[in-house]
Amino acid sequence: QKEVEQDPGPLSVPEGAIVSLNCTYSNSAFQYFMWYRQYSRKGPELLMYTYSSGNKEDGRFTAQVDKSSKYISLFIRDSQPSDSATYLCASRAPYNFNKFYFGSGTKLNVKP
Amino acid sequence: GAVVSQHPSWVICKSGTSVKIECRSLDFQATTMFWYRQFPKQSLMLMATSNEGSKATYEQGVEKDKFLINHASLTLSTLTVTSAHPEDSSFYICSGMGGGETQYFGPGTRLLVL
Repeated sequence: QKEVEQDPGPLSVPEGAIVSLNCTYSNSAFQYFMWYRQYSRKGPELLMYTYSSGNKEDGRFTAQVDKSSKYISLFIRDSQPSDSATYLCASRAPYNFNKFYFGSGTKLNVKP
Repeated sequence: GAVVSQHPSWVICKSGTSVKIECRSLDFQATTMFWYRQFPKQSLMLMATSNEGSKATYEQGVEKDKFLINHASLTLSTLTVTSAHPEDSSFYICSGMGGGETQYFGPGTRLLVL
């Protein structure tokens, strides 16, 4: 079992829809969680960073961590065609701060 | 957020030559830098982790003599692909981490070996 698992998609939604992207993780000791957005032929860009559980909001993006179910989510409100990209979730190992676990990425397509 | 640059953004070289890719943290000191490669439609694959002034730690299956990593300063790391072959063609991405809790990625370097 991989430490962080993510549905690869692709996920296709109409413009304006609410998008829900999800990952699960295996180690209950994980505390730090990130979401990155990667456009084609570009490096990943940090979107959201959360510590422990709860919600964090930044504009149209909300990151949510549910530690009881070991589930992390990224919600995108009023999705735009420019949101079309691959979204990567990640977690940082609790015992080695240089160790990160990435999901395989979910490809999102927002249709105009 | 923190900014990481890479140079060159793309490079084409002949088989057997060596290629150097630079990774710079522009507005923070990267105590740790990471190098990844990514094949089309695949996820990131970590190649190595380096701390400033120390030898890089390579992931299993990555040839340290082929992929030379130098992290000489807190703002610069280099990856040299030695004696490149067509199978080394890929997208190489670096990232840096300073005193914060996460890593910031560069824009990537596309390498094509003919």
